[in-house]
Amino acid sequence: DGGITQSPKYLFRKEGQNVTLSCEQNLNHDAMYWYRQDPGQGLRLIYYSQIVNDFQKGDIAEGYSVSREKKESFPLTVTSAQKNPTAFYLCASSGPGQNLYEQYFGPGTRLTVT
Amino acid sequence: AQTVTQSQPEMSVQEAETVTLSCTYDTSENNYYLFWYKQPPSRQMILVIRQEAYKQQNATENRFSVNFQKAAKSFSLKISDSQLGDTAMYFCAFMKHSGTYKYIFGTGTRLKVLA
Repeated sequence: DGGITQSPKYLFRKEGQNVTLSCEQNLNHDAMYWYRQDPGQGLRLIYYSQIVNDFQKGDIAEGYSVSREKKESFPLTVTSAQKNPTAFYLCASSGPGQNLYEQYFGPGTRLTVT
Repeated sequence: AQTVTQSQPEMSVQEAETVTLSCTYDTSENNYYLFWYKQPPSRQMILVIRQEAYKQQNATENRFSVNFQKAAKSFSLKISDSQLGDTAMYFCAFMKHSGTYKYIFGTGTRLKVLA
């Protein structure tokens, strides 16, 4: 079945540690996105990539980093510089062609940093 | 910059009744897309319906329909014959027609369908 996978579903880390969230898609989509969701707020864009080996900062990129070495994969690293990393993280993808306008979402990863 | 506003943080509706969720947006663009996404308790985001701004006809998907008022920059979602499975957070989203394909999301409306 085609889709987007995010692992793990729940992730716990100690403050000061970097942590990498996985996002893989087998939909042959060109574009991929990372969002952060906090209670009472909508989804906010962290980073996005429209093509392999290229990515752009979103609205809240500080304290995060990404890579896009393969079309299928778009991992997100939450660094120790991120002040409030505890949140729900959603990965999405879209494309190709006309389908760039519709984003498909993974199941999300709940990150808790203590 | 574009903004999306959902002014109803929470709503409830009786099973089989009809409910309308509001969304307004602000943009200087003429061509764009609008979306409604559903996020049930599982937290999986699911696309409910999509509207292209250049189309005057309101989009419909089974029990879901929109009232798109371009001049008023309003994009409301109507759910008919509400079902218990419709209980979820509903997010309105905006995307420009060209460029970066980025979504701008509203803060969501939590809908509870009552038995």
